[in-house]
Amino acid sequence: GNSVTQMEGPVTLSEEAFLTINCTYTATGYPSLFWYVQYPGEGLQLLLKATKADDKGSNKGFEATYRKETTSFHLEKGSVQVSDSAVYFCALSEPLYNFNKFYFGSGTKLNVKP
Amino acid sequence: GAVVSQHPSRVICKSGTSVKIECRSLDFQATTMFWYRQFPKQSLMLMATSNEGSKATYEQGVEKDKFLINHASLTLSTLTVTSAHPEDSSFYICSRQGSSYNEQFFGPGTRLTVL
Repeated sequence: GNSVTQMEGPVTLSEEAFLTINCTYTATGYPSLFWYVQYPGEGLQLLLKATKADDKGSNKGFEATYRKETTSFHLEKGSVQVSDSAVYFCALSEPLYNFNKFYFGSGTKLNVKP
Repeated sequence: GAVVSQHPSRVICKSGTSVKIECRSLDFQATTMFWYRQFPKQSLMLMATSNEGSKATYEQGVEKDKFLINHASLTLSTLTVTSAHPEDSSFYICSRQGSSYNEQFFGPGTRLTVL
């Protein structure tokens, strides 16, 4: 079946530090991969996505590359800011009839200290 | 701005009562909406797919009679937790499909606490 595993948090970093949040997946087909971010009191927002192997998704300084050979989609950012503090969810989706079904990881909380 | 809203954001109820949670698509007529449940420090689990004008499709293990879903219009889906018990306490999140099948927009969630 399909599933997503991401590193447990919380992850605590100082401002301007390098961020990596690991995400691996299992899938029966050819899924699309996503990173969502959830700020306190808000809904999940799409951060970036990649729809096929070797694609790189990027947004707001965050990047993730779809690695089929390692079934991974690790999130990286070169220099984090306090405003990046949030919970990050890795997800995959598979086509199912007339919509895509999403599977989420457990979320990783990021705390960035000034 | 937000494209999906939920109401209420928080609700506390007594065991045995029923609670209705509303999910509204603010900018798009959504024929398909989704309901998720999120336990503390766990992932979002899809409970059901809400289809406008027809019955919802429930995931395996989700009780249809316990979690009633109604999608009576293209902008509103409701989830009613019937005869709530403390183990139903959770964070419930809805979403709507975007213009492509590979896109979903999420509401801010509803925190349900059953005493």
